[in-house]
Amino acid sequence: GAVVSQHPSWVICKSGTSVKIECRSLDFQATTMFWYRQFPKQSLMLMATSNEGSKATYEQGVEKDKFLINHASLTLSTLTVTSAHPEDSSFYICSATAGGPGETQYFGPGTRLLVL
Amino acid sequence: AQKVTQAQTEISVVEKEDVTLDCVYETRDTTYYLFWYKQPPSGELVFLIRRNSFDEQNEISGRYSWNFQKSTSSFNFTITASQVVDSAVYFCALSEAPGYSTLTFGKGTMLLVSP
Repeated sequence: GAVVSQHPSWVICKSGTSVKIECRSLDFQATTMFWYRQFPKQSLMLMATSNEGSKATYEQGVEKDKFLINHASLTLSTLTVTSAHPEDSSFYICSATAGGPGETQYFGPGTRLLVL
Repeated sequence: AQKVTQAQTEISVVEKEDVTLDCVYETRDTTYYLFWYKQPPSGELVFLIRRNSFDEQNEISGRYSWNFQKSTSSFNFTITASQVVDSAVYFCALSEAPGYSTLTFGKGTMLLVSP
């Protein structure tokens, strides 16, 4: 099956610093990648959708200047949390899809971010 | 209105019991896709099944089976002879127009299987 990796799996940082999370599709080319945020015991909340080579589409209420997304290649997307604050602490998960509409999204293992 | 409803927040069963996780969806489209994912305590979402709206055939994969009923807008998931390793949160999701690319998730059902 399709494999998506995410790095790092855990990150602890000080308030005010920026954190970059990488999402890679290991065995397929991902035309579209998605970034989600999940709070404890809650469902996934879509933050943004990114297509290779184009600007990401952010969901309502998600600050694009706060959460920078880059999808530079068909196998890599990055999410940078800029000037992180304690309220940004969360579980961030990426997913990737190879094909067209309705295709399965394959998820990465997630990144737990703790901002002190 | 909630588009994917998983009314069961938490289910507890004893090993070897059968358990059904309910999923009811809402859409105006005739073409849509339904998914089930498993999220174990490690956090990674594991893909279980994808079904398009034109395929109402039920599916069985080992101890897992899915019952898709368009008449009741339901896509229920049954685990037969549950095992401790089945303990996880299970999410049902819907993909619909426009684009069919984004997923609308239900709130998830936490399944606890005790020995």
